[in-house]
Amino acid sequence: DAGVIQSPRHEVTEMGQEVTLRCKPISGHDYLFWYRQTMMRGLELLIYFNNNVPIDDSGMPEDRFSAKMPNASFSTLKIQPSEPRDSAVYFCASSFGTGREKLFFGSGTQLSVL
Amino acid sequence: AQTVTQSQPEMSVQEAETVTLSCTYDTSENNYYLFWYKQPPSRQMILVIRQEAYKQQNATENRFSVNFQKAAKSFSLKISDSQLGDTAMYFCAFAPIRNNDMRFGAGTRLTVKP
Repeated sequence: DAGVIQSPRHEVTEMGQEVTLRCKPISGHDYLFWYRQTMMRGLELLIYFNNNVPIDDSGMPEDRFSAKMPNASFSTLKIQPSEPRDSAVYFCASSFGTGREKLFFGSGTQLSVL
Repeated sequence: AQTVTQSQPEMSVQEAETVTLSCTYDTSENNYYLFWYKQPPSRQMILVIRQEAYKQQNATENRFSVNFQKAAKSFSLKISDSQLGDTAMYFCAFAPIRNNDMRFGAGTRLTVKP
């Protein structure tokens, strides 16, 4: 398997624009996570899905953020409208089973909002 | 909710020496897993070691070992015979067994000096 695939690797956009980050989890994994990493706050869990269903979205900063998982092989994280404080590295991760299993991370998307 | 605290933002060690990174956590869960992840400059998150809370024996993986003190809710990582390739950010993480809500500490930046 190619691992967790995220795209794009880098995204530069202007304030107010819509940004869509994409993730393809490892085939067969039933959990998918979106994390945000910043210098100030470290790794924050934004939302996670189990079998394509959102389980906990309490980490989503505000209504400008939304995440979907239309099927087992694809998820998106959308920011609309984007703001400079959204600049961060966004990681997608997947795993199979409950907390005993390690997460497999993608390479992340470096987002810069100007 | 679980919290994970890493009190050392930065540490350095001489090559071939031993270093210990600290981690404490707070939870009301009885059954959980603890992890140490490494993030080198490439940004990829790599699992270093995993500990099951119901096991008293400390986990070891080659040069990496943990000191797990369940009553104290402490989970430190010891790196023996440090190598230049160990230079990275190290994250401590917690996940309850009943779900996959994995939470990370703020990280410790480790520099191995030649």
